[in-house]
Amino acid sequence: NAGVTQTPKFRILKIGQSMTLQCTQDMNHNYMYWYRQDPGMGLKLIYYSVGAGITDKGEVPNGYNVSRSTTEDFPLRLELAAPSQTSVYFCASSYSATSGIYNEQFFGPGTRLTVL
Amino acid sequence: QKEVEQDPGPLSVPEGAIVSLNCTYSNSAFQYFMWYRQYSRKGPELLMYTYSSGNKEDGRFTAQVDKSSKYISLFIRDSQPSDSATYLCALVGSYNTDKLIFGTGTRLQVFP
Repeated sequence: NAGVTQTPKFRILKIGQSMTLQCTQDMNHNYMYWYRQDPGMGLKLIYYSVGAGITDKGEVPNGYNVSRSTTEDFPLRLELAAPSQTSVYFCASSYSATSGIYNEQFFGPGTRLTVL
Repeated sequence: QKEVEQDPGPLSVPEGAIVSLNCTYSNSAFQYFMWYRQYSRKGPELLMYTYSSGNKEDGRFTAQVDKSSKYISLFIRDSQPSDSATYLCALVGSYNTDKLIFGTGTRLQVFP
């Protein structure tokens, strides 16, 4: 299994441009997540999905959009990129979060995005 | 007040030292306590987790939770240069086990 894969690894955007960060998992996990990690700030949840066709906002959703048309893929869309979106983006997946039971989140290698 | 506080370090220790990494938290509803390890330019990976209070040991690593003090610790015995990484604590409540709350991470460097 490849686990969670993300593309691209690096990207530089100009202010106002848009792009899609790709995330794919091959573990048949129904839960998928997008986080951003800023220096000294830990990971913040942007959006998450509990299954195909269902998405919900996390802690910092402004400026981003997501869709989930298949179990495997969970792309993150940046519209009108801003310098504040310069960050490292991580995608993660897990089995369904059964109430009261923690299921490990598996992380991808990340995408480093710089907006200039 | 932040939900989770973690000293960012960096913490620099010689090989073989005992390392203590800590987090404090404010919400008593947290029930699961995780430690993730993140190597430079890689994604976080789960090191170990505990449920509720108590200790859990895995090889050279021991996780400790004190819910009365809202304090969690990760101890690394006989530290190795390969342990050099950022260690993030993460907490979740039993009511919403898909929403991880991360600490800021502590950068650890173990020198030979």
